[in-house]
Amino acid sequence: GQQVMQIPQYQHVQEGEDFTTYCNSSTTLSNIQWYKQRPGGHPVFLIQLVKSGEVKKQKRLTFQFGEAKKNSSLHITATQTTDVGTYFCAGLVRGTASKLTFGTGTRLQVTL
Amino acid sequence: EAGVAQSPRYKIIEKRQSVAFWCNPISGHATLYWYQQILGQGPKLLIQFQNNGVVDDSQLPKDRFSAERLKGVDSTLKIQPAKLEDSAVYLCASTRGLGETQYFGPGTRLLVL
Repeated sequence: GQQVMQIPQYQHVQEGEDFTTYCNSSTTLSNIQWYKQRPGGHPVFLIQLVKSGEVKKQKRLTFQFGEAKKNSSLHITATQTTDVGTYFCAGLVRGTASKLTFGTGTRLQVTL
Repeated sequence: EAGVAQSPRYKIIEKRQSVAFWCNPISGHATLYWYQQILGQGPKLLIQFQNNGVVDDSQLPKDRFSAERLKGVDSTLKIQPAKLEDSAVYLCASTRGLGETQYFGPGTRLLVL
C-alpha cells in the first residue's frame, strides 16, 4: 500500500534558527496537504499543494511540491516557540476513496 | 461555524471491555473519517464514510471494531472487546467532499489497562 515517510523524526532548534522537514511518498500523488499538531492537540490544516513544482508561502513557512509529485518539503524561517509541534504531510491519491495517507511526522522543539 | 465534536474526551477501560466513541461532523460535511493515532505516530485511517455509505474500511480491524453513520450525519465507532494495543487517540474528521481539507475534532484518548 501507499507509504508516506518524513525526515527527520525529531528536530530541536534554538529560536531564530531555520527548520526543514521532508516528505516522501512511495506513489505519485494528486495533491499533498500539510497539518500541524500541537502537543496534546489535534491536527490542524496548514496548506494544500496541487501542481507539480508548486511553491507556496505563509509568512515564515514555505511549502514545496516536487516535480514528480512524490515529495514535498516544509521550511520554517527563523523559528519561534509558537512553532513547536508535530508537522505531518498527508498525500492524496484520487480515486474512488480519495484516501489521505498521513506521513510519519516530524516533531519540532524550539527553545530560547 | 461549529467544529467537529467528539465525546467522550477521555476513556479508561480494562482489556476485553467494550467502548464507544461519538462524532458529530461540521454541518453539511458529507465525508466523515475515523483515525487511530498511536503515540508518536501519524493518524491512521480506520474508516471513511460518504454520507451514510462506507467508502473505505480496508484498515479497520473488523473482528473487533465497527462503525456506523446511519443518518449520514453523526457517527459512532465501537471496539468490542478492547485490547491493550488499542490504547490511542481516536480522531474524527470531516470534509465537504472526498479529498478536501480535513477538519479534525479534539479526539478521544483511550487507555486500555
